[in-house]
Amino acid sequence: EAGVTQFPSHSVIEKGQTVTLRCDPISGHDNLYWYRRVMGKEIKFLLHFVKESKQDESGMPNNRFLAERTGGTYSTLKVQPAELEDSGVYFCASSQVSGMVADTQYFGPGTRLTVL
Amino acid sequence: AQTVTQSQPEMSVQEAETVTLSCTYDTSESDYYLFWYKQPPSRQMILVIRQEAYKQQNATENRFSVNFQKAAKSFSLKISDSQLGDAAMYFCAYRSSHDMRFGAGTRLTVKP
Repeated sequence: EAGVTQFPSHSVIEKGQTVTLRCDPISGHDNLYWYRRVMGKEIKFLLHFVKESKQDESGMPNNRFLAERTGGTYSTLKVQPAELEDSGVYFCASSQVSGMVADTQYFGPGTRLTVL
Repeated sequence: AQTVTQSQPEMSVQEAETVTLSCTYDTSESDYYLFWYKQPPSRQMILVIRQEAYKQQNATENRFSVNFQKAAKSFSLKISDSQLGDAAMYFCAYRSSHDMRFGAGTRLTVKP
């Protein structure tokens, strides 16, 4: 079974540019999460999809971030325009069971974003 | 707000020895889960072990075990018989019905 995949693995962009990160969850997983880790700090929750609907987007830092999950399969996270403080590693995770505290989240390898 | 604190940014252990990684958390909830995740270099994060808050018995997975002290809000990870493949970033995480939080991570180095 394929795991969670993320693309690209690394991205280096200039301040003001746009970047789109992609996450492909495990097939059949309705739940998809985005997280971000700024260098040396904790991993922070960004948002949670259940199928194509945003269940919780309380962690999204501002309106420069737009997440979509059309069709309830893969998800994209677009940053426009990118700022220096957006640099970090963006993780995606998916899980099968909705609304359960115990459900295991499976993580992707992350996308390392560097904004110059 | 719930917080998760990993007070050891870096740890090292000799191969075959035992190491303990610390984690404390803050919560007012009674129903929650605690997790340890491992992220090897350039690879994805995987679940190592998890503990249900309502269970008194400490979780164990082969060489990995936890010391869960609910009253003290402490959740340390013990790795026995350390192997070179244990080298990774280890993240402690807390999850309740509406919140998931991670610590800043502990980088574990295993010396041959």
